[in-house]
Amino acid sequence: NAGVTQTPKFRILKIGQSMTLQCTQDMNHNYMYWYRQDPGMGLKLIYYSVGAGITDKGEVPNGYNVSRSTTEDFPLRLELAAPSQTSVYFCASRSTSGGSYEQYFGPGTRLTVT
Amino acid sequence: GEDVEQSLFLSVREGDSSVINCTYTDSSSTYLYWYKQEPGAGLQLLTYIFSNMDMKQDQRLTVLLNKKDKHLSLRIADTQTGDSAIYFCAVSNTGNQFYFGTGTSLTVIP
Repeated sequence: NAGVTQTPKFRILKIGQSMTLQCTQDMNHNYMYWYRQDPGMGLKLIYYSVGAGITDKGEVPNGYNVSRSTTEDFPLRLELAAPSQTSVYFCASRSTSGGSYEQYFGPGTRLTVT
Repeated sequence: GEDVEQSLFLSVREGDSSVINCTYTDSSSTYLYWYKQEPGAGLQLLTYIFSNMDMKQDQRLTVLLNKKDKHLSLRIADTQTGDSAIYFCAVSNTGNQFYFGTGTSLTVIP
């Protein structure tokens, strides 16, 4: 199993550009999450999904959009990029079984908006 | 949302014990976690505890939960240089949304 994969690893955007961060998991997990990690701020939840076709906002959804058309994929769309969106973005997934609700994280995408 | 707080830095000598502390605000938090992040990588689960437990031990790791004070701690016995990393506390009450602390950067001095 590859686990949770994210592309790209790094990206530099100009202000006002758009892009999609890709996230794929091969563990057949229903739950998927997008977080951003800013220095000294921990991880903040942007959006999450409890299954294909269902998404919900987290703590910091403004400026982002998501879709979940398949169990495996959970892309994060940035429209009109702003410097405040410079961050490291992590995708995660978790199973509905097992009881611990452990999240499995991807390696992250480092995004700079200038 | 919930506030989860941790101190930012901790430095210990190799072989000593490390204690990383976390406080949270939502008393209905049911699932409490410690994740480890190594440089340039995603987070990996170290251990977890449910709110109906006070303590959990897993090899060198001991988790203590004080529900009254909403305080969670992680003790690493016989700390090694390979334990140098950032440690995140995370909590959830439903398993849908998770709230993470700011992370504690642990430096182990040889």
